Amino acid sequence: GAVVSQHPSRVICKSGTSVKIECRSLDFQATTMFWYRQFPKKSLMLMATSNEGSKATYEQGVEKDKFLINHASLTLSTLTVTSAHPEDSSFYICSASSSGGGVEQYFGPGTRLTVT
Amino acid sequence: AQSVTQLGSHVSVSEGALVLLRCNYSSSVPPYLFWYVQYPNQGLQLLLKYTSAATLVKGINGFEAEFKKSETSFHLTKPSAHMSDAAEYFCAVTEYGNKLVFGAGTILRVKS
Repeated sequence: GAVVSQHPSRVICKSGTSVKIECRSLDFQATTMFWYRQFPKKSLMLMATSNEGSKATYEQGVEKDKFLINHASLTLSTLTVTSAHPEDSSFYICSASSSGGGVEQYFGPGTRLTVT
Repeated sequence: AQSVTQLGSHVSVSEGALVLLRCNYSSSVPPYLFWYVQYPNQGLQLLLKYTSAATLVKGINGFEAEFKKSETSFHLTKPSAHMSDAAEYFCAVTEYGNKLVFGAGTILRVKS
């Protein structure tokens, strides 16, 4: 149980284009989803927290207009990187938690974004 | 504010030897603590968690960790390292309802 998927696993896009990453909870209802970014050989940096049906809460220094997060249902959250640039290239990981799951977050497998 | 310090960005052990990965935390309230493992280009897998029950927590793959409040530590151990244990390990802390705060990670190398 508690499986989280991400799609796509890898994506290459050209500079200036937008790319959408999906995060789905497959077997539970995710009241809260989190988006992290991981730079090479670094730890995870929380970008934003989203609750179903509400606007996402962004961490300090994260541009909300650049990283659009939508949590439209209890099983799906999307992260859209708008007008991507090479410096947006990174590994993006989502996680999800349920209201009945306590403090635990269940992590997706990650999405490798490369902007050329 | 919560924080996590992982001592040693790289740890190298021989196959069959004891694994000890260190984690110290800072939290203003009783914390919840986690250890995750990450293999290259993959997400995080939960090894074990401490949620204010038993202080010695057993996890998957033979790992365990002991919560020591007096030392604000939550070190991860495994009696005998296996080649498949080579990966990056992250310690994390949260206060209920708040975000996870991760340590910088420790890369474990297992020598044959």
